[in-house]
Order: sequence, then structure tokens, then C-alpha cells
Amino acid sequence: GIQVEQSPPDLILQEGANSTLRCNFSDSVNNLQWFHQNPWGQLINLFYIPSGTKQNGRLSATTVATERYSLLYISSSQTTDSGVYFCAVVPTQGGSEKLVFGKGTKLTVNP
Amino acid sequence: DAGITQSPRHKVTETGTPVTLRCHQTENHRYMYWYRQDPGHGLRLIHYSYGVKDTDKGEVSDGYSVSRSKTEDFLLTLESATSSQTSVYFCAISARTGYGYTFGSGTRLTVV
Repeated sequence: GIQVEQSPPDLILQEGANSTLRCNFSDSVNNLQWFHQNPWGQLINLFYIPSGTKQNGRLSATTVATERYSLLYISSSQTTDSGVYFCAVVPTQGGSEKLVFGKGTKLTVNP
Repeated sequence: DAGITQSPRHKVTETGTPVTLRCHQTENHRYMYWYRQDPGHGLRLIHYSYGVKDTDKGEVSDGYSVSRSKTEDFLLTLESATSSQTSVYFCAISARTGYGYTFGSGTRLTVV
């Protein structure tokens, strides 16, 4: 099946710093989403971005489908950005429409 | 709120006992999913449903069964719990398959 690799696995920042999280996938996809899991375990959908660029406040995401990667940018990080960020994809092949998740990037933002 | 609730939130059970987790939605979404989350593995799909009485297996379905007799309820059953099923279980719903997921708050299950 499709492989979804996220990097780095762990990231520690000082408040105010910028960061880039990466998601590589091994096959073509027709759906890519980014999720944030806060320290209390709640999962929130951040972006639906199978291609192109989107921005929402301090967060933005870019997916280059032809090169099989997506990037999540966090600018001026805040302590509330801490948690785990997941990339999830739906592979084009196979006929399944179910999301396949990467293992996540754990972000810690220190005050 | 998002209109999806999981129960119970926490459960400790003994090896070999049956366990049922419940996912309830008020959004009338067609698709419902059960995932488990384990350290180092991210979220892995156990089972999903694409309508009442319509279910299918995910990548880690062994040892689990599901039922969906009503649109709003999706039950996950561990017929005979094992320690390897200690995990956090998440339910998710979506109106369209593979898009716009809303997750429940999770159930932390410990099998001793």
C-alpha cells in the first residue's frame, strides 16, 4: 500500500519561530489532508489540499502532487500550536477512498 | 459542538472479555470510521461504514467487528480483548468519503 512519511518526527521551537513540516507519499493521491492533534488528544482538520497552496492565518500548506510531497508552514508559532501534526492521503490507485495517515510530527512550542 | 460522541471515554478491561465501544453522531453523515492510535504508528483504520448495515474492513481489522444498525450509531466490538488491543480508539465521520473528517474525542482502552 501507499507509504506516507512525515518529517521531522519531533520538533521543538521557541515561541515566535517559524517551522516547516514535510509529508512525502509513495504513490499518486487524489486527496491530502493535514490534521492537528492537540495535547488533549482532539484531532482537528486543518487543510484539505490535494494540490496547490492554501493559507489560514499563521498556517499555510502547499502540495506538489507531481513530486509527491506536501509542506505545512507554521509562522510565528505559539504555545497553542503544540501537539502532533498528521498528514493523511487517499491513494489514486486501488479504488479506496479511505484516508491513510502518516505517523505524525510532534511539535513542542516553548514559551 | 461537532455532533460526534464516543463512549466510554476510558475503559479498563481484562484479557478475554468482550468490549463494545460506541460512536454516536447527530450530523446524519453517511460515512463512519474506527481508527486506533498507537505510539509510532499514527492512526490506522480498523473498520468503516458507508451506510446502514454496510461495513468493510480496514488495515488492522483482525480481532474486531463492527455494526451499524442506525445512521447515527457505529459500534466497535472486541470479541475477546487482548493486551495488544490496548490503544486509543477514535471514531470519525464524513459526509463524503475521504473528505471533511470530524473526529470524536477518543476512547482510551486498557486491557490488563
